[in-house]
This record gives sequence, structure tokens and C-alpha cells, in this order.
Amino acid sequence: NAGVTQTPKFQVLKTGQSMTLQCAQDMNHNSMYWYRQDPGMGLRLIYYSASEGTTDKGEVPNGYNVSRLNKREFSLRLESAAPSQTSVYFCASSEGGRGLFFGEGSRLTVL
Amino acid sequence: AQTVTQSQPEMSVQEAETVTLSCTYDTSESNYYLFWYKQPPSRQMILVIRQEAYKQQNATENRFSVNFQKAAKSFSLKISDSQLGDTAMYFCAFMKPNDMRFGAGTRLTVKP
Repeated sequence: NAGVTQTPKFQVLKTGQSMTLQCAQDMNHNSMYWYRQDPGMGLRLIYYSASEGTTDKGEVPNGYNVSRLNKREFSLRLESAAPSQTSVYFCASSEGGRGLFFGEGSRLTVL
Repeated sequence: AQTVTQSQPEMSVQEAETVTLSCTYDTSESNYYLFWYKQPPSRQMILVIRQEAYKQQNATENRFSVNFQKAAKSFSLKISDSQLGDTAMYFCAFMKPNDMRFGAGTRLTVKP
């Protein structure tokens, strides 16, 4: 079972460049999430989508945009990347209170 | 907003011994879920154990168990018979619908 798949796994950008992180889940979950992980800070919620067609800001939304394309797919876009956005990004999905199911993470470096 | 605090940035334990990781949280919600996740060097986030706040009975999964004290807002993880494969970052997490918040993590090292 694929579960949650996110691409790319690694990316290096220059300051000011844009990129989109793609995420897809095959578990028929309604809710999807984007987190970033930085050393000593755990995972912080960027955006989430409770259902197809809805998105909401999390703790650290500035500099990011999201699109819930359909029930399966939830993308994260950096319009003008900054060095402060260097991080590991995780996509996750959930249904009810069973917890989050995570992708493998994407390491983004902004030079 | 909910906050989750893990006061032990690093811990170590000898193989086969028992270790307890601490977690406290702050919320005004009455219905929520609590989780422990493990993150080995592979970076994958792995669900270890789950606790429903309305259940008084502490959750157990094989060698992993929790001590859930709702009034004290405490949720510790006990790992019995520690194994080398338990070496990882451990994150405590609080969840209400469509919102999960994580602590900063505890790095656990199991020594042979």
C-alpha cells in the first residue's frame, strides 16, 4: 500500500525561486496536512484541509500557499523561496481520531 | 491554542531496561486524542501509541505503555525491555479535529 506519497524527496532552490511540493494519499481520508520540521522545534502545522475544497492556516502559514486539488491530492507552494524556508516538509492525512499518516518527507534547501 | 511540552531533549537507556519519556500539554478542550510518534534516522514518522482522552484506561502496545493523567494534563510514554531499534526521536502529539500539535521531541538512545 502506498499510503501518503510526496514528491520531490529532495530539492535545492535559490532565494526567490518558486516550487510546489506534491502530496497524494490513497486511504480515502478527508483531512490532509502540511507540516515543517526544524531541529529542536518538532513539527509545526503550515496548512490543513479538512475536506475537498477547503483549506485553513495552521501555526506557520506565511510564505506558503496550498491547493486541495481533489480528495487525494494536497499541494504546497512556495512562491518566492527564502532561506528561512529551508526545512523538512511532511504531508499527512487523517480520518477521525486515528492519528496522522505521514509521507516520507521532503528536504528543501534554499540557498 | 494547544501547546505540547517535552521537557527532556535527550535521554539514554541501557538495552533491556525501562525508560519513561515525559509530556505535558495545555488545552481547554474536553475531547481530544494524544499520541506518541517515533522518528528513526530514516525520517519516517511512525505511530507508536494512541490514547483517547475520554478513556481512563491507559493504552498499551506491546512494550510501549502510557501513563495518562488527564487532570494533570500529563501523558508519559514507558518503553519496557528497550531494544537497539528503539533509538529514535520521540514526539508527543495532541489532536483535536483537523489539528494536531507536536512537542519538540526527545532523542532517545538505547545503549548496548
